[in-house]
Amino acid sequence: DAGVTQSPTHLIKTRGQHVTLRCSPISGHKSVSWYQQVLGQGPQFIFQYYEKEERGRGNFPDRFSARQFPNYSSELNVNALLLGDSALYLCASSLVRGGYEQYFGPGTRLTVT
Amino acid sequence: DQQVKQNSPSLSVQEGRISILNCDYTNSMFDYFLWYKKYPAEGPTFLISISSIKDKNEDGRFTVFLNKSAKHLSLHIVPSQPGDSAVYFCAASAFGNQFYFGTGTSLTVIP
Repeated sequence: DAGVTQSPTHLIKTRGQHVTLRCSPISGHKSVSWYQQVLGQGPQFIFQYYEKEERGRGNFPDRFSARQFPNYSSELNVNALLLGDSALYLCASSLVRGGYEQYFGPGTRLTVT
Repeated sequence: DQQVKQNSPSLSVQEGRISILNCDYTNSMFDYFLWYKKYPAEGPTFLISISSIKDKNEDGRFTVFLNKSAKHLSLHIVPSQPGDSAVYFCAASAFGNQFYFGTGTSLTVIP
């Protein structure tokens, strides 16, 4: 069985640009969460989606948005990139909303220059 | 506001000995706690969890202890193996809506 997949693996963007990151959950998993991990820190919660609706949002500005598609895959969008957005972006899927056991993808490394 | 804290950035242990990783939390609403293991260039891997209604959960070489009155949990690895060398994250959640992670402890098991 395929695990959580994320694309792209690495990405370099310039300040002010926009970026879209993609995530495909484990087959059968309906909940997707996004996390930002900056160097030396733990993952920080950005969004949780379940059945295509936002079910939770962390303390991130409105430049961050996401959506979930009917096949439960998800996109994370970040507008007007700042240098401080450079981080590893992790996607995690779980079977149900509120599912405690999340399975993480390998992440997308975003570098903003 | 760091609701989950791992105060030891690193830990070195001899192979075969016990590794004890610690985690403190501040939010009394947390009802589920998890430990994740992370290798470089990979996402965190779920290791073991514990519900707030329990004080101990064991899975093979891994045991998690929860002390709710102290708002403290710990992960014990016995015996430690070189393959256990990784960064370990403690995480907590209230009703599965949002997960809070600690900053991680880098464990090195010396052969």
